[in-house]
Amino acid sequence: QKEVEQNSGPLSVPEGAIASLNCTYSDRGSQSFFWYRQYSGKSPELIMFIYSNGDKEDGRFTAQLNKASQYVSLLIRDSQPSDSATYLCAVNGGTYKYIFGTGTRLKVLA
Amino acid sequence: EAGVTQSPTHLIKTRGQQATLRCSPISGHTSVYWYQQALGLGLQFLLWYDEGEERNRGNFPPRFSGRQFPNYSSELNVNALELEDSALYLCASSGRWGQSNEKLFFGSGTQLSVL
Repeated sequence: QKEVEQNSGPLSVPEGAIASLNCTYSDRGSQSFFWYRQYSGKSPELIMFIYSNGDKEDGRFTAQLNKASQYVSLLIRDSQPSDSATYLCAVNGGTYKYIFGTGTRLKVLA
Repeated sequence: EAGVTQSPTHLIKTRGQQATLRCSPISGHTSVYWYQQALGLGLQFLLWYDEGEERNRGNFPPRFSGRQFPNYSSELNVNALELEDSALYLCASSGRWGQSNEKLFFGSGTQLSVL
């Protein structure tokens, strides 16, 4: 079983819609959860992090964490074509090793 | 404040040669991580250094090695290069080991091409 799983996509949403990206993880000891955005040919950029169960909002982005279900998600409201990228979920567990999912490719259609 | 810097940006080598990639972390960060990202694939964890010590390594052969210097900069060495080593090599840094909520910040990467 992969440690961090994401649907590879592509996830296509129309401009202005809500994009919902999901991630599951296998290590129940995981403590920190991150979302990175990676444009083609560029390095990952940290856009959200969450440590506690519940929702965390920052601008158009909302991260949601459910440790009981080992599930973390990212919502992007009012999606823009510039949001088109690959979104990587990362988990930091007890070994302090950051494990990344393979990413979900998001396409926002103008 | 400068972010994570990596050099060179691009590196072209032939099979069997050695490659050396360099990374300088964000000022104040002591942990350096190396990842390999082959075309179209996810980030594969290579190595983690903190306070000059190798703390963890991923499932890569011993020809992938590195070190961390007293100023916390790091070097990744890949010996006996193979064609499948062609990838984007990303360095990232974070703060003090033991803080599980430390965030990871990436450099712009070194694109290694093995011919």
